[in-house]
Amino acid sequence: DVKVTQSSRYLVKRTGEKVFLECVQDMDHENMFWYRQDPGLGLRLIYFSYDVKMKEKGDIPEGYSVSREKKERFSLILESASTNQTSMYLCASSFGTANSPLHFGNGTRLTVT
Amino acid sequence: QQQVKQSPQSLIVQKGGISIINCAYENTAFDYFPWYQQFPGKGPALLIAIRPDVSEKKEGRFTISFNKSAKQFSLHIMDSQPGDSATYFCAASSQDSSYKLIFGSGTRLLVRP
Repeated sequence: DVKVTQSSRYLVKRTGEKVFLECVQDMDHENMFWYRQDPGLGLRLIYFSYDVKMKEKGDIPEGYSVSREKKERFSLILESASTNQTSMYLCASSFGTANSPLHFGNGTRLTVT
Repeated sequence: QQQVKQSPQSLIVQKGGISIINCAYENTAFDYFPWYQQFPGKGPALLIAIRPDVSEKKEGRFTISFNKSAKQFSLHIMDSQPGDSATYFCAASSQDSSYKLIFGSGTRLLVRP
């Protein structure tokens, strides 16, 4: 079974802090994604990566950056956390073939106070 | 701009009944339409998917109906069970951006015993 592991289940940070969300997958997937899940808005893509050191902006990249130094690890960085970034963050991975299923982690609930 | 519109936002069905969730899309280039199922505390997981060259796909109690001319697709859950209680997301992607799934806003399904 594919395992996508997000380092924290719950995280509470203060406004202005730099926040790192870590994600690791164990299936040698080429693609990795960060989504944000908010009630009534579904899943919105923040950033994705189709190879090591490669990254592409998703639909809502403002206020976020990412890092992919190793194939299995994809980090989401909030440079200066704000209260409107309070949300559930989901990491996912997939093979590099078209329409390969996404495998999601269980999410990190981030609260910015 | 919401490219995939999902309804209803929530749905309550009695055990044994039929659950129906609808999605409509705008981009005629979309050529892959998956449904993801998410249980509380877990990440979404692929449930079933369809391509526009067929009008229906069935897997067990789950069926996708696809209407290309109307740009709509729906998920039918036959003989709904309490274990089907979850949030369901429709999604769509196109060949020219096959890594990027556009998700609907989600439907919270509760199946009463």
